[in-house]
Amino acid sequence: DTEVTQTPKHLVMGMTNKKSLKCEQHMGHRAMYWYKQKAKKPPELMFVYSYEKLSINESVPSRFSPECPNSSLLNLHLHALQPEDSALYLCASSHLEREAFFGQGTRLTVV
Amino acid sequence: GQQVMQIPQYQHVQEGEDFTTYCNSSTTLSNIQWYKQRPGGHPVFLIQLVKSGEVKKQKRLTFQFGEAKKNSSLHITATQTTDVGTYFCAGPWGTYKYIFGTGTRLKVLA
Repeated sequence: DTEVTQTPKHLVMGMTNKKSLKCEQHMGHRAMYWYKQKAKKPPELMFVYSYEKLSINESVPSRFSPECPNSSLLNLHLHALQPEDSALYLCASSHLEREAFFGQGTRLTVV
Repeated sequence: GQQVMQIPQYQHVQEGEDFTTYCNSSTTLSNIQWYKQRPGGHPVFLIQLVKSGEVKKQKRLTFQFGEAKKNSSLHITATQTTDVGTYFCAGPWGTYKYIFGTGTRLKVLA
C-alpha cells in the first residue's frame, strides 16, 4: 500500500466554523507533513511530525492546529480561518530523507 | 534562508519537441528530489539524486545533479501530451524539511 489518503477532498467552511482535515498512511513512514499550496505556486511546508512529535512548525498561525494521534494518522484542525486561507492542503509522509508520498489533497474554500 | 529557483517558469512546446527545466539552489544540497504535479493533481515523486555529477534516466526523462550540488536539471526527450504538468525540484533544509522550487509549468501542444 503506497497511498496517502486524505479526507475530505473538498471543504467549504465559514470563518466561524471549526473543521478538521484527516490524513492516513500505512507505509510505516515515521515522518508526516502538512503543506499548503496556492494556485500556481509550489507546496509550502506548514508542519512536520516525526515519530508522532511535532518537529517543525513553519510559523503557522494558531488557527491551524495539527495533531498526530498515532503513527498512521495526521489531523489538521481548522478554526476561525480567513478567506486567504483558501488553498489546497496536502498531506505527505516519508522515511527519513527519502521521497515523500502525497495525498490527493483537500481543496479548502473559506467563505 | 534557502531558496530554490527554477527556470523557466512556463514552457509551451509542440509534441515531439524536447524540454528542459533547471533548478538552482542558493546553498549546497545533500540531495535533490524531483516531483511532477498534473493539473488538478498532487505532487508525485519522480527521482532522487545524491551524488555530485549524477545522471539518471527514466525512459525519456534525464535527470542531472551538478558537480557543485547546487543545481540540477530535468530533460524530457520528444515530449508527449502525457508530460503536461508542473515539475518541481525539492532540496533538503534540515532533517525532515524539503524546500520546493518555484516549479516549471509545461504545456504540450498536440
